[in-house]
Amino acid sequence: AQRVTQPEKLLSVFKGAPVELKCNYSYSGSPELFWYVQYSRQRLQLLLRHISRESIKGFTADLNKGETSFHLKKPFAQEEDSAMYYCAPFPFDSGGSNYKLTFGKGTLLTVNP
Amino acid sequence: DTGVSQNPRHKITKRGQNVTFRCDPISEHNRLYWYRQTLGQGPEFLTYFQNEAQLEKSRLLSDRFSAERPKGSFSTLEIQRTEQGDSAMYLCASSIPTVSGKAFFGQGTRLTVV
Repeated sequence: AQRVTQPEKLLSVFKGAPVELKCNYSYSGSPELFWYVQYSRQRLQLLLRHISRESIKGFTADLNKGETSFHLKKPFAQEEDSAMYYCAPFPFDSGGSNYKLTFGKGTLLTVNP
Repeated sequence: DTGVSQNPRHKITKRGQNVTFRCDPISEHNRLYWYRQTLGQGPEFLTYFQNEAQLEKSRLLSDRFSAERPKGSFSTLEIQRTEQGDSAMYLCASSIPTVSGKAFFGQGTRLTVV
């Protein structure tokens, strides 16, 4: 069965500390992986996409196919990073016509001053 | 605002009443998703469309729920005979098929059933 797990419901760090939000997935094939973020009173929005291999707002995420993980990392957390973070695998094939985007249960990150 | 638009933003209804929500996706996006989100939970998939075709419905979507997307443009989600358990935030998102995991979300419709 396809499944995505975010083991930490809550994560609290101090400003300037490193942060890692964990995501493990169980999907057949090679899904494309996304991280979405929801700041307080804002709409859910894309943070980053593994295939882009980019750093957004200082966050990076490495896809580890062996461990089936896609952890989100930032070396120095800022207070404005406080938000809800969702890992979202998307099954990928060349057609992609009959697959849906699903989300983990999310991790609430709080960055304390 | 050229983003995904949802109306109404809030809806309070009495148990047993019918409600309908509307989603206007980004104009060039032909994939449209509906999700439900309750407090402290991630968005739960309900259904999605590619153009006007409804490709999948979640088991969460009971017979009281129906969604349409006439002409592949805006979409409506109707809940008949609402129950208190239907109280949630209903989210709509749209994407283009070539990057279907890159979805743009509306601000949601918060439903409260009293």
